[in-house]
Amino acid sequence: AQKITQTQPGMFVQEKEAVTLDCTYDTSDQSYGLFWYKQPSSGEMIFLIYQGSYDEQNATEGRYSLNFQKARKSANLVISASQLGDSAMYFCAMREGRKAAGNKLTFGGGTRVLVKP
Amino acid sequence: GAVVSQHPSWVICKSGTSVKIECRSLDFQATTMFWYRQFPKQSLMLMATSNEGSKATYEQGVEKDKFLINHASLTLSTLTVTSAHPEDSSFYICSIQDYEQYFGPGTRLTVT
Repeated sequence: AQKITQTQPGMFVQEKEAVTLDCTYDTSDQSYGLFWYKQPSSGEMIFLIYQGSYDEQNATEGRYSLNFQKARKSANLVISASQLGDSAMYFCAMREGRKAAGNKLTFGGGTRVLVKP
Repeated sequence: GAVVSQHPSWVICKSGTSVKIECRSLDFQATTMFWYRQFPKQSLMLMATSNEGSKATYEQGVEKDKFLINHASLTLSTLTVTSAHPEDSSFYICSIQDYEQYFGPGTRLTVT
């Protein structure tokens, strides 16, 4: 079974509008972490936001917020006020187990976002 | 966050030759580094976990004799693609992990 599922292979969004990228996950661990990364055409992986399984508040970082619904095992990324520079691939990832060196990340298939002017 | 570099950023090699890719942690002593491979329009797939001073742990389906990993110091891990073939052409990305994971800029390998 897929551990991380991103059901939207690609989507368009109008500049200045908000967009929600879906991510569902599957784990039996009680302690885990969820990440979102942005990958522009240059290939670098840019960390956007992190949510720990025990965090009660939804994570926010500037224009990025994470809609964490633990019971539904979903961790959707919301990008508000989209900008042309937001056009990129977006990956959801999960670390199972507690924060520690050696705990690998598992990535979803990614969602390509194209912001239209 | 930690700064990670990779060298080279891109490389073209002939089929049958070997290519070495370096991953350096510039400001953090990394006991663990990860190597990922990403084919065009696909996600990152973990190849192996590199542990300083010990053997790497390879993911299922990754040939350890083909993808040699050496993590000889706390700041350097190398991935050597031996006897490269065109199907090995890919984007290789390393990362280090403290409590968060920091990625290098990637190396694009093209095997002709």
